[in-house]
Amino acid sequence: GQNIDQPTEMTATEGAIVQINCTYQTSGFNGLFWYQQHAGEAPTFLSYNVLDGLEEKGRFSSFLSRSKGYSYLLLKELQMKDSASYLCAVREPSGNTPLVFGKGTRLSVIA
Amino acid sequence: DTAVSQTPKYLVTQMGNDKSIKCEQNLGHDTMYWYKQDSKKFLKIMFSYNNKELIINETVPNRFSPKSPDKAHLNLHINSLELGDSAVYFCASSRRDEAFFGQGTRLTVV
Repeated sequence: GQNIDQPTEMTATEGAIVQINCTYQTSGFNGLFWYQQHAGEAPTFLSYNVLDGLEEKGRFSSFLSRSKGYSYLLLKELQMKDSASYLCAVREPSGNTPLVFGKGTRLSVIA
Repeated sequence: DTAVSQTPKYLVTQMGNDKSIKCEQNLGHDTMYWYKQDSKKFLKIMFSYNNKELIINETVPNRFSPKSPDKAHLNLHINSLELGDSAVYFCASSRRDEAFFGQGTRLTVV
């Protein structure tokens, strides 16, 4: 089975940097995903890591350590529109298995 | 040109009724899913279909029956609706990597 943990809520200031952590314990691993979900909307894809290291995409970066079962999403130069839930998800290795999601971290960006 | 579309967006119905939610994707993906997101925002997999065949059926009451008439469609039929079925239901599709989600159907059972 899969166990995915991330903080429930975080608050950060506009213009700052925030790091959202995710730890996972899985029977297999074929990639870790981060999604953003604004209230009342669908989750949208942010990033994907399958190898160890940092993937950078504009203001967002995601890091993975497979040996530690750990990932983080780094958001820089925070904007008010970044207030949303951030969902960590893991895929198991066999075929097109569905993403298994953590419970999400609700980020509030304040002025 | 919406990638994954599901209808209706909102559904309010009485306990005991039967209802369906439709989902279509135009991405050419082989795999489609239904997820349920509860009031605590936890997104949980219900079903997974690959090339019209059911490959994963999580612990879901058999009142829920998915139907895939072709690779581009995966509909969800729910019989004898209960109050606890109230949630947002998301359809999604994928090929290999990320999954693309529909806009969700907010089901309210009264």
